[in-house]
Amino acid sequence: QSVLTQPPSVSGAPGQRVTISCTGSSSSIGAGYDVHWYQQLPGTAPKLLIYGNYNRPSGVPDRFSGSKSGTSASLAITGLQAEDEADYYCQSYDSSLSGSNVFGTGTKVTVL
Amino acid sequence: QLQLQESGPGLVKPSETLSLTCTVSGGSINSSAYYWGWIRQPPGKGLEWIGNFYYSGYTYYNPSLESRVTISVDTSKNQFSLKLSSVTATDTAVYYCARRYGDYGGYFQHWGQGTLVTVSS
Repeated sequence: QSVLTQPPSVSGAPGQRVTISCTGSSSSIGAGYDVHWYQQLPGTAPKLLIYGNYNRPSGVPDRFSGSKSGTSASLAITGLQAEDEADYYCQSYDSSLSGSNVFGTGTKVTVL
Repeated sequence: QLQLQESGPGLVKPSETLSLTCTVSGGSINSSAYYWGWIRQPPGKGLEWIGNFYYSGYTYYNPSLESRVTISVDTSKNQFSLKLSSVTATDTAVYYCARRYGDYGGYFQHWGQGTLVTVSS
């Protein structure tokens, strides 16, 4: 039922910059609803990484940044580190699905 | 420090009802500032939102699960619960409870550790 599409995987060498896209529609991201991002390390619960499109909660390194444009959003990780290897999910709201919070399909980030 | 803890049976038989409870400590579920919800994750797959409730009693569910889901609250115990009826193997997942900040497009800022529920005879 996911209506937010992410690439299944991205990879990069330590120190590089990687980006993850999150593509929605005119009833979700394109309608102006905020996009949030979560990091899920293996075997753990998701952790809020970015909220309100580009805001970082306290304790999240500034290597992580978010942006939004039109019907899409992006998460960028600069200065990639080994501990960034995880699954990443975007989340928003879709007005075409009554009351629905929707998550992206998820992206596995691999540090080479 | 807010903490959420899921509890309930780890094994449920097909066609029966899955029941889980989330116990909240370090904060009240009777707060107008937050929504409380359930999210699940089948093994090796992505996250799926199940439903939320608001302290006023308003609940709303994922349309794909709505006919089988009930979220209820016990404010005296600072707990909220999930019931999912007529389960099948496709309901096997790690179930998370979480606190959401903000209306509509709000974000899940605090999560429980999750509990694995397996549907099998």
